[in-house]
Amino acid sequence: NAGVTQTPKFRILKIGQSMTLQCTQDMNHNYMYWYRQDPGMGLKLIYYSVGAGITDKGEVPNGYNVSRSTTEDFPLRLELAAPSQTSVYFCASSYGLATGELFFGEGSRLTVL
Amino acid sequence: AQSVTQPDIHITVSEGASLELRCNYSYGATPYLFWYVQSPGQGLQLLLKYFSGDTLVQGIKGFEAEFKRSQSSFNLRKPSVHWSDAAEYFCAHSGNTPLVFGKGTRLSVIA
Repeated sequence: NAGVTQTPKFRILKIGQSMTLQCTQDMNHNYMYWYRQDPGMGLKLIYYSVGAGITDKGEVPNGYNVSRSTTEDFPLRLELAAPSQTSVYFCASSYGLATGELFFGEGSRLTVL
Repeated sequence: AQSVTQPDIHITVSEGASLELRCNYSYGATPYLFWYVQSPGQGLQLLLKYFSGDTLVQGIKGFEAEFKRSQSSFNLRKPSVHWSDAAEYFCAHSGNTPLVFGKGTRLSVIA
């Protein structure tokens, strides 16, 4: 089982560039999430989705966009990259919203220069 | 707003010694509580969770945690630490919303 797959694992962007982080899960989970992790700050929720076609903002959504056209895929779009978006991004999925175990991808390390 | 506090940024223990990692949460109703572990360069893995019932919960890798409502705490414990336990540990909770994570505690294990 692949679980949650994120691509790319590493990326360097220039300020102002755009990119999409891909996330796919094969567990038929309805709930999917994007978190960012910065040193000493834990994980902060960017966006989440409760099912295909439904997304909602988390704690730190500014500068990001998401879409959920299928149950399996939940891409995260960065428009006009800024140095403040340098971080490690984790995609996760779960069967339930608050009570379900989150299954995490291995992370995508993004550097904006 | 919900919040999770992990007071210890970094803890060092000797192999074979006992371990306790502290976690406090702020939420009025009984929350759903979790401990996750992150090895270097990896995603997070669930160690254990508490929803209701017995306040002492057992997890994987020999870890356990105790929910204390009066102290709003959910501390993680292990009787005897192994070198492979060196990692970062995150406490998280939810009140019917997506998980809110603490800032993490990094555990170092020395011989």
